[in-house]
Amino acid sequence: IAGITQAPTSQILAAGRRMTLRCTQDMRHNAMYWYRQDLGLGLRLIHYSNTAGTTGKGEVPDGYSVSRANTDDFPLTLASAVPSQTSVYFCASSVSGTSGDTQYFGPGTRLTVL
Amino acid sequence: GQNIDQPTEMTATEGAIVQINCTYQTSGFNGLFWYQQHAGEAPTFLSYNVLDGLEEKGRFSSFLSRSKGYSYLLLKELQMKDSASYLCAVRDSNYQLIWGAGTKLIIKP
Repeated sequence: IAGITQAPTSQILAAGRRMTLRCTQDMRHNAMYWYRQDLGLGLRLIHYSNTAGTTGKGEVPDGYSVSRANTDDFPLTLASAVPSQTSVYFCASSVSGTSGDTQYFGPGTRLTVL
Repeated sequence: GQNIDQPTEMTATEGAIVQINCTYQTSGFNGLFWYQQHAGEAPTFLSYNVLDGLEEKGRFSSFLSRSKGYSYLLLKELQMKDSASYLCAVRDSNYQLIWGAGTKLIIKP
């Protein structure tokens, strides 16, 4: 693995179903982030984690949950998907969450909720 | 509220120079980033400014004026591969990135 990987690459999901998007990084970065990107809007932060064992809410956390059991993995769960969660989801990481470190992005997951 | 403004779309000619502007109003300022995003791909880091002035990196330069809440990205000697969206992001007082909607740059031969 080099950098950040996300899975799946794309997914079509029925409304009401539960879905977990996976994110793994091998850079030993302390901070990790989940964003969604919608046409015409900037990236919006869903949840973040500054270090393993801690998480925080971003701008648009409703309907999503995260966990950070170890440094490398940061899964995002949609407990009961709704059509408004159709989006492209990007996972990112940085050395630290409390400084000017650059964020590096995974390739993204394109999610369609019908 | 927090706001990042940048033009939606710009068109330029191969070999020319283009300047993409970004204005911001955020709660606190801890640096400004520019990212490049090709269609269907992830954003990739281009530049970072935290002090006023110009940062030059090859064909790309980025300028910051904190007093004016203003930055620009300057791309020189444009190549077709520079066709992409350019995202401006400001790190606020909570060290979270606030993102603009991006500027789609179209390069014509």
